[in-house]
Amino acid sequence: GQQVMQIPQYQHVQEGEDFTTYCNSSTTLSNIQWYKQRPGGHPVFLIQLVKSGEVKKQKRLTFQFGEAKKNSSLHITATQTTDVGTYFCAYAGKLIFGQGTTLQVKP
Amino acid sequence: DAGITQSPRYKITETGRQVTLMCHQTWSHSYMFWYRQDLGHGLRLIYYSAAADITDKGEVPDGYVVSRSKTENFPLTLESATRSQTSVYFCASFDRGMNTEAFFGQGTRLTVV
Repeated sequence: GQQVMQIPQYQHVQEGEDFTTYCNSSTTLSNIQWYKQRPGGHPVFLIQLVKSGEVKKQKRLTFQFGEAKKNSSLHITATQTTDVGTYFCAYAGKLIFGQGTTLQVKP
Repeated sequence: DAGITQSPRYKITETGRQVTLMCHQTWSHSYMFWYRQDLGHGLRLIYYSAAADITDKGEVPDGYVVSRSKTENFPLTLESATRSQTSVYFCASFDRGMNTEAFFGQGTRLTVV
């Protein structure tokens, strides 16, 4: 079945450093979604990417969908302590999630 | 209140007992999902439903049963709970169309002793 692999599993950064998480699939995806889960909370939708090579920005967050629609990335510029949490990519066809990347930010 | 709600929020049960986790959404979303979340495994799909009376297995369906007699409800039953089913369970819903944002419930923390 459709699977998405996400790396890294954990990332510790100093506040102000950048952060990137990657999502990869062995097959072409019709779309990809990104969610954020704060500690103790539930996943919350961030964005959906549909087009090949698509790039979307939300303030300090930049989302990319690969040209072949097999990979995606989330980049956070100048992390803040409010960015702490686990970031998931998901294939929206059956809402299958990657394993997530847990971000810790040291103030 | 509009939204998606799970009950109970916390549950402790004994091995071998049957337990049902409830999920209710008020948007009339066609799709509903059940996930379990364990450290190191992310969110794993247990079952999903595309509409009332239509359900299908996800990645880890063994030991679980679902039903969907009404669009708004999607209960998850553990027929004979095992310690390995100790987890946090999330329900989610979305509708097909232009905006396929999924909405999650607050989660149910289940402990099987």
